[in-house]
Amino acid sequence: IQLTQSPSSLSASVGDRVTITCRASQGISNYLAWYQQKPGKAPKLLIHTASILQSGVPSRFSGSGSGTDFTLTISSLQPEDFATYYCQQRHSYPITFGQGTRLEIK
Amino acid sequence: EVQLVESGGGLVQPGGSLRLSCEASAFTFSSYWMSWVRQAPGKGLEWVANIKQDGSEKYYVDSVKGRFTISRDNAKNSLYLQMNSLRAEDTAVYYCARLTTGDTTFVYWGQGTLVTVSS
Repeated sequence: IQLTQSPSSLSASVGDRVTITCRASQGISNYLAWYQQKPGKAPKLLIHTASILQSGVPSRFSGSGSGTDFTLTISSLQPEDFATYYCQQRHSYPITFGQGTRLEIK
Repeated sequence: EVQLVESGGGLVQPGGSLRLSCEASAFTFSSYWMSWVRQAPGKGLEWVANIKQDGSEKYYVDSVKGRFTISRDNAKNSLYLQMNSLRAEDTAVYYCARLTTGDTTFVYWGQGTLVTVSS
């Protein structure tokens, strides 16, 4: 199952609302997770099962979608949110990730 | 606090072998599926392999099947990745990850260990 994220990169300002999209090549129900990765660090789980916020993750992060189309929204960007974001499907093997969306400061 | 600490990375020639280890702490290791995920320099994440709690089920990405073997020792709280017939395209940071209960979401990650395949 291929996951295609858009955009591949994005420039935004602190306080902006940002949406990242992940499209699956076939239906995956709600078996999708989102991760944040900062340079030189391991990825961090933000959202699982499409819309469930991982414990300890700020509420400005939210996820939605089902089937083939999913979104990650950050309601009000904070300085620490500038990073690369990946979606991941667990519907079937092989487990796959999107190519990533790099979120940069404008 | 859950900790996963990888080791064993390094420089190896094409065709060579390497064994990665991941030592787990602060959780009941034998109760969770475990995984290896890699990231080539400047590239995205790629899942490599999963192993069930008792080692009875293993899954691999096609590109490593027949070359890599995932294993675990629950008595030592350790996960392993034996990598044989290494290729330049296997160059990556390799992360050990613990999966959630009941599904294949990567909840906890180690800091990663770099494997470089080059002559």
